[in-house]
Amino acid sequence: GDSVTQMEGPVTLSEEAFLTINCTYTATGYPSLFWYVQYPGEGLQLLLKATKADDKGSNKGFEATYRKETTSFHLEKGSVQVSDSAVYFCALRLMDTGRRALTFGSGTRLQVQP
Amino acid sequence: EAGVVQSPRYKIIEKKQPVAFWCNPISGHNTLYWYRQNLGQGPELLIRYENEEAVDDSQLPKDRFSAERLKGVDSTLKIQPAELGDSAVYLCASSFLANYGYTFGSGTRLTVV
Repeated sequence: GDSVTQMEGPVTLSEEAFLTINCTYTATGYPSLFWYVQYPGEGLQLLLKATKADDKGSNKGFEATYRKETTSFHLEKGSVQVSDSAVYFCALRLMDTGRRALTFGSGTRLQVQP
Repeated sequence: EAGVVQSPRYKIIEKKQPVAFWCNPISGHNTLYWYRQNLGQGPELLIRYENEEAVDDSQLPKDRFSAERLKGVDSTLKIQPAELGDSAVYLCASSFLANYGYTFGSGTRLTVV
């Protein structure tokens, strides 16, 4: 079946450090890929997405590139802030099947220290 | 516009008791999803509705879980009877069409004691 694997957390960084959260996927078709963020006490929010190979999604300084050859969608940010502390979820969605629901990874908690 | 509204935010019940969660999606969104998020895990789909029809309920434990979406708007998810392992956050999401982006609610945190 389809699945998403993320690096385990927590990831603890100092403010202004470089962030990478690894995500790889397994899918039977050609998925769209997403990063969602969950701040404490809040629901999931879409951070960025990419719908085909070599697409780069970006938002709020975060970036991720859809790499079909390595089945990866790693999240990066050049300089993290304390306000980026949250749980980040990588997800995929197969648009050409009846399922069409998001399949999530287990999440990676990011803690940014001042 | 208002987002996806869920209630209650928190619920504590004893095992074997029934419980229900309510979701009001964004106006005009015809696709509605219920997800369960166990502690330290990503959300997992329970059921997807398109309008009032449940089109994907393969992951819904039908012996104790039920859901309905009357008139294709609000939805209710019920557990009867609840078990200790049902403790989780239950998330509702909606989208305009199945291929469009989701908006998630804040979830209902269920604790079964």
